[in-house]
Amino acid sequence: EVQLVESGGGLVQPGGSLRLSCAASGFTFSNYEMIWLRQAPGKGLEWVSYISGSGSAIYYADSVKGRFTISRDNAKSSLYLRMNSLRAEDTAVYYCAREWEDSGFESFDYWGQGTLITVSS
Amino acid sequence: DIQMTQSPSSLSAFVGDRVTITCRASQSISNYLNWYQQTPGKAPKLLISAASDLQSGVPSRFSGSGSGTDFTLTISSLQPEDFATYYCQQSYSTPPYTFGQGTKLEIK
Repeated sequence: EVQLVESGGGLVQPGGSLRLSCAASGFTFSNYEMIWLRQAPGKGLEWVSYISGSGSAIYYADSVKGRFTISRDNAKSSLYLRMNSLRAEDTAVYYCAREWEDSGFESFDYWGQGTLITVSS
Repeated sequence: DIQMTQSPSSLSAFVGDRVTITCRASQSISNYLNWYQQTPGKAPKLLISAASDLQSGVPSRFSGSGSGTDFTLTISSLQPEDFATYYCQQSYSTPPYTFGQGTKLEIK
């Protein structure tokens, strides 16, 4: 059974840092591209970052570029998101998700349960 | 970036009703369109990929259609567990992976 379990959320002051982790199981982690997404309270879904299976390709949303760093450890089947210079507008539930590709069509077929980040003084 | 716009933003319906949610892309995305369902406090769940491919385990009352810029998600006979928020998402030109703003489906 595919499982994604996020951890590392919590309350952080503006300007602070936090590292999220996503532990994957039930599939060959290195074969899949992985995604971080977030959802501010009462708002919609926002893509945050992408990393290829090998880690060689990485992309970020403009809203987090230069502040967040995505990484992965395929030996540990784990995905990470290092978040620096946090702002109030980064307050959200953060989800990791697996990207599934079928005949060129990409989708996010498995999601973690989410971890809440609150940026507040 | 491709913008995705859903309508309506919210919708009230009875159990047993047929409902349709619309998603429009700011440019043609062929059929690179996914639909997700999110219930309160839960992670989104993939319902439909490639505009019309139902995911395994998703009830057949859900269907998707469309191509180009206009897409629909239809629920043929609403069940109590279908009351949720639905999001469309384009995978034609990524990154960024863009979502619609969501459609909240409520019980009337």
